[in-house]
Amino acid sequence: QSALTQPASVSGSPGQSITISCTGTSSDVGGYNHVSWYQQHPGKAPKLMIYDVNKRPSGVSNRFSGSKSGNTASLTISGLQAEDEADYYCSSYTSSSTVLFGGGTKLTVL
Amino acid sequence: QVQLVESGGDVVQPGRSLRLSCAASGFTFSSYAIHWVRQAPGKGLEWVAVISYDGSNKYYADSVKGRFTISRDNSKNTLYLQMNSLRVEDTAVYYCARDPARPYMVRGVIIDPTHHYFDYWGQGTLVTVSS
Repeated sequence: QSALTQPASVSGSPGQSITISCTGTSSDVGGYNHVSWYQQHPGKAPKLMIYDVNKRPSGVSNRFSGSKSGNTASLTISGLQAEDEADYYCSSYTSSSTVLFGGGTKLTVL
Repeated sequence: QVQLVESGGDVVQPGRSLRLSCAASGFTFSSYAIHWVRQAPGKGLEWVAVISYDGSNKYYADSVKGRFTISRDNSKNTLYLQMNSLRVEDTAVYYCARDPARPYMVRGVIIDPTHHYFDYWGQGTLVTVSS
């Protein structure tokens, strides 16, 4: 299976909002409400930011939100802060009972 | 506190085998499915495999199917990944990660939910496959 499609990079200024897209197929993103998002800083393990499309784990800022339309999921970060600069990955459950990741998006805070 | 500690990473030649371990603490290990996820140097995350809470169900990525075997010993709170026929492209940091969805009972039947996300990760162990 091919990885989910994410933009390679996005950028924004402090205080702005950015959105990262994650496109799959009806066999993964479009078929289940099981999309998750992870933040990874250099040299660190990933951190869960959003699960089941739009649910936030306790402790994650409400500046992070998720949504889905058809085969495309999105992560929105509002009120951008310097500490948000990181790599972001989406993942989805698939019809084969496996998990598929996106290629990752590098977020730069200008 | 939940802790996952991977070990066993090494430098190995193509075609050889290696076994990774993931020691868990701070939670009831036998109640949770656990995944292996890997990340090649400078690349993105790649899901490798998952094993259910009791070891009865296992799923693998196509890239490792037939070569890798995930297993667990709930008496030792430890997860394993047996990697055979290693290839250069298996070079990566390997993470174990807990899936927060626990089994539940409905009318006396245990239901194991779908496993598709990760709430706690280990620090990773590096596997390098090179001649």
